Amino acid sequence: QKEVEQDPGPLSVPEGAIVSLNCTYSNSAFQYFMWYRQYSRKGPELLMYTYSSGNKEDGRFTAQVDKSSKYISLFIRDSQPSDSATYLCATRTSGTYKYIFGTGTRLKVLA
Amino acid sequence: EAEVAQSPRYKITEKSQAVAFWCDPISGHATLYWYRQILGQGPELLVQFQDESVVDDSQLPKDRFSAERLKGVDSTLKIQPAELGDSAMYLCASSLWSRQETQYFGPGTRLLVL
Repeated sequence: QKEVEQDPGPLSVPEGAIVSLNCTYSNSAFQYFMWYRQYSRKGPELLMYTYSSGNKEDGRFTAQVDKSSKYISLFIRDSQPSDSATYLCATRTSGTYKYIFGTGTRLKVLA
Repeated sequence: EAEVAQSPRYKITEKSQAVAFWCDPISGHATLYWYRQILGQGPELLVQFQDESVVDDSQLPKDRFSAERLKGVDSTLKIQPAELGDSAMYLCASSLWSRQETQYFGPGTRLLVL
């Protein structure tokens, strides 16, 4: 079993839809959670960074962590075609900055 | 805006040949990371430097891979000899030592081994 599981997609949605992207993880020691966006042929770009459980909002993006179920989510409101990319979740323990990445979910927002 | 630079962007080589990738981190970033991203997977850390010192190279296949950051600034990742399974995107990232949760990635070098 991989430490971080993520549905590879692709996920296709119409412009303006609310997008929900999810990851599950197996190690209860993971405490820090990140979401990266990766456009084709580019390096990942950090979108959201959260610690422990709870929600964090930044513009159209909301990151949610539920440590009891080992489930992390990224919500995108009013999705735009420019949001079309691969979204990677990542996590780490408190004792290291070695990130464990999910496989990424490909998102397509249709105009 | 400062960016992480990598070269070459693309590299095609034959198996058993040697290849090298170069990374120039954002100025002032003491921490540098090399990741390998196989198509359809997330990045996997190969090696982490703090200045010129290796902090973590536990996932680096040391029989064929080597990495150096001699002056604590730019870095080179080498593969010798390359194998078919090395075909992947090689990503470099950098961060401030005090803000390692924020890693800035370069555009990557896409390697194809024939």
